Amino acid sequence: KNEVEQSPQNLTAQEGEFITINCSYSVGISALHWLQQHPGGGIVSLFMLSSGKKKHGRLIATINIQEKHSSLHITASHPRDSAVYICAVGAATNKLIFGTGTLLAVQP
Amino acid sequence: EPEVTQTPSHQVTQMGQEVILRCVPISNHLYFYWYRQILGQKVEFLVSFYNNEISEKSEIFDDQFSVERPDGSNFTLKIRSTKLEDSAMYFCASHRDSNYGYTFGSGTRLTVV
Repeated sequence: KNEVEQSPQNLTAQEGEFITINCSYSVGISALHWLQQHPGGGIVSLFMLSSGKKKHGRLIATINIQEKHSSLHITASHPRDSAVYICAVGAATNKLIFGTGTLLAVQP
Repeated sequence: EPEVTQTPSHQVTQMGQEVILRCVPISNHLYFYWYRQILGQKVEFLVSFYNNEISEKSEIFDDQFSVERPDGSNFTLKIRSTKLEDSAMYFCASHRDSNYGYTFGSGTRLTVV
């Protein structure tokens, strides 16, 4: 069983839609990270959170430590948001354990 | 904004050859990592490095692999006697400490033929 599970694996949305990507994990963590990976392969850190909620522009990340669950929301989605969104959890040793990613395609 | 720089961006090598992947982490970062992503799969942890020594390594990181920080700035991953299954994107990452997020390099795509 994967230590970090994401859903959905693939998501197609129309421009302007509100998008939610979910992440569940089964291990103890120091923090949870949301990352973005574009087709060229590079990985960009979006959020690092250990409790509550963070917001950056149209992106919102929440985490429920008791339920071991996090969500990434994108408001007013745009085609440029198309990418793979990855949930990764930080272990006590600081290494990251990655989920399999959610491939998001936002159509105009 | 400071960047983690990786070179080369692409490398093609013959099976059995040695390759060295190079990374320049952000200057005030203390923790350094190598991850890899085989095409179509999730990113996997290889090794972490702190205070000039390996702090953790995965099962993947066997005797074929080694890391060095030879001059206080570069952070290298050496793969000896490459195998076809070593073909992957290799990412270097660093962070200042556990209170700070990671910065990833843009990756080196290694193809072993």
